[in-house]
Amino acid sequence: NAGVTQTPKFQVLKTGQSMTLQCAQDMNHNSMYWYRQDPGMGLRLIYYSASEGTTDKGEVPNGYNVSRLNKREFSLRLESAAPSQTSVYFCASSVIDREQFFGPGTRLTVL
Amino acid sequence: GNSVTQMEGPVTLSEEAFLTINCTYTATGYPSLFWYVQYPGEGLQLLLKATKADDKGSNKGFEATYRKETTSFHLEKGSVQVSDSAVYFCALRVTSGTYKYIFGTGTRLKVLA
Repeated sequence: NAGVTQTPKFQVLKTGQSMTLQCAQDMNHNSMYWYRQDPGMGLRLIYYSASEGTTDKGEVPNGYNVSRLNKREFSLRLESAAPSQTSVYFCASSVIDREQFFGPGTRLTVL
Repeated sequence: GNSVTQMEGPVTLSEEAFLTINCTYTATGYPSLFWYVQYPGEGLQLLLKATKADDKGSNKGFEATYRKETTSFHLEKGSVQVSDSAVYFCALRVTSGTYKYIFGTGTRLKVLA
């Protein structure tokens, strides 16, 4: 089992460029999440998907879109990147009433 | 609303010292509580959890007790090692509705040999 995988590990964008962060899990979890981690802010929820076919906004959704492609995959898209989106992005998954499992993260820099 | 408050770090200890990292929470209903650990360059890993009042979670020498009366879930370890150096996150899971998680801001622990 690979657990939760994320690609890419690192990315540098220019302001206004777009990109998609990919996340996949092989644990047959129903729920998947996207967080961003910033110094002094802890983890903040961007979007989550309680089950396949559903997505909901979290605490900081502005500037992001998500797609729950199937039960395994949950992608995060930045349509027009801004320097304020420089962060480390983590994907996580869980069974609905159990603990979350996290991927290794994507470090994104927007110039 | 729901929130988690952790003591600010960094916390610097000598090897074999006693560790306490404070965590208090505000939540409606009866949340489950978690401690996660993040080693440098990695994602978060579950360290321990407690799902109801007075439960004690434990793992790798770490312990935390779910105290409903003080709304606290403090992390303790009797004798820390250099390998415990990491960032520790307290979190709660809202059990009603959407099962979202609320994380604290994290406490960095540095253990010196």
